[in-house]
Amino acid sequence: DAGVTQSPTHLIKTRGQQVTLRCSPKSGHDTVSWYQQALGQGPQFIFQYYEEEERQRGNFPDRFSGHQFPNYSSELNVNALLLGDSALYLCASSLAGDWPYEQYFGPGTRLTVT
Amino acid sequence: AQSVTQLGSHVSVSEGALVLLRCNYSSSVPPYLFWYVQYPNQGLQLLLKYTTGATLVKGINGFEAEFKKSETSFHLTKPSAHMSDAAEYFCAVREMNRDDKIIFGKGTRLHILP
Repeated sequence: DAGVTQSPTHLIKTRGQQVTLRCSPKSGHDTVSWYQQALGQGPQFIFQYYEEEERQRGNFPDRFSGHQFPNYSSELNVNALLLGDSALYLCASSLAGDWPYEQYFGPGTRLTVT
Repeated sequence: AQSVTQLGSHVSVSEGALVLLRCNYSSSVPPYLFWYVQYPNQGLQLLLKYTTGATLVKGINGFEAEFKKSETSFHLTKPSAHMSDAAEYFCAVREMNRDDKIIFGKGTRLHILP
């Protein structure tokens, strides 16, 4: 049973560019959440997708957008990259309505903006 | 609003000594509480969780935590530290019956001294 997978593992981009990160949820899960973990910090919630809709959003600008596909996989897009966007981006999956709503995390994508 | 405070960004203990990592939370409704561990260059792994019921929760790798509502605390302990326990530990909270974001603390890096 495959867990949560993310691609790519590492990514280097230049300021102003756009980036797309990908996530495949754990088998049987239908909900995907994205988190940003800056160096030395705890993960911060970006948004969550369920039934191909953004269900809840954290305190992140509109430069951060996402998508969920019919197979429940998800993408995180960041436009107009800033140096401060450098971080580890974590994807977590869960099954809606499955108390206690445990989230399983992927290994993350390390984004470096230069 | 929910929040998590982890006391001590770095904690050092000798191998074989007691590990105690402190976590206090704030939540307006009954919380779900979690401890995650993150090894270098890896994603988050769930150590243990409190949902309802018994307030002393046992997790993987010999860790346990006790939910104390009166103190709004969920401290993580392990009787005897191993070198392999060296990692970053995150306390997290989620509002009960809400299937969305987890709020993380800033993390505590645990160092094990030989």
